[in-house]
Amino acid sequence: QVQLVESGGGVVQPGSSLRLSCVASGFTFSNYVMHWIRQAPGKGLEWVAGISIDAKSKHYADSVKGRFTVSRDNSRSTVYLEMNSLRVEDTAVYHCAREGFGSGFAPCFDIWGRGTLVPVSS
Amino acid sequence: DIQMTQSPSTLSASVGDRVTITCRASQSINDWLAWYQQKPGKAPNLLIYAASTLHSGVPSRFSGSGSETEFTLTISSLQPDDLATYYCQQYNRYPVTFGQGTRLEIK
Repeated sequence: QVQLVESGGGVVQPGSSLRLSCVASGFTFSNYVMHWIRQAPGKGLEWVAGISIDAKSKHYADSVKGRFTVSRDNSRSTVYLEMNSLRVEDTAVYHCAREGFGSGFAPCFDIWGRGTLVPVSS
Repeated sequence: DIQMTQSPSTLSASVGDRVTITCRASQSINDWLAWYQQKPGKAPNLLIYAASTLHSGVPSRFSGSGSETEFTLTISSLQPDDLATYYCQQYNRYPVTFGQGTRLEIK
């Protein structure tokens, strides 16, 4: 069964750091580009970051550039999101997603995890 | 960034109704548009990509159309299981962006 399971969320204070993990199963993880997408409570979806198969290419949304770092460990079928200098506006459910089909410039996503909640609050 | 605008924001319809959701892009995205269904408390599911290609396993009552800047998602005969929020997404270029969502309620 193809599945993505996120973990690592929890309440944090503004300015703090947190690392999220997403473990993949049911498919050959090392063959797929992976992404993080977040959803603020009651709001829509916002793409956050993506990482290539070999981790040599990474893309970030402007809202997190310089604060968040995406990485992966193909031996563990896991993708990570290191989040530093967290802000109240980073409060969201963070989903990892597998890159599905693309335009040659950008992707859509064919498998998503249920997400992990990160509330940033003082 | 390319802005994606969905309408309506909320839609109430009866079982068996034909339902249409519209998504407009702030500039041409060719046909690089995807539609997702998100049920309460669950992860989004890909329904349609490339504007009109039905993803594997998606019921044939779902269909998509459009190109350039205007797109539609149609459910030909609404079923109770279709209660969900629907999102469009452009993938013409980075950053990929999503519509704000259309919440579909069953009367």
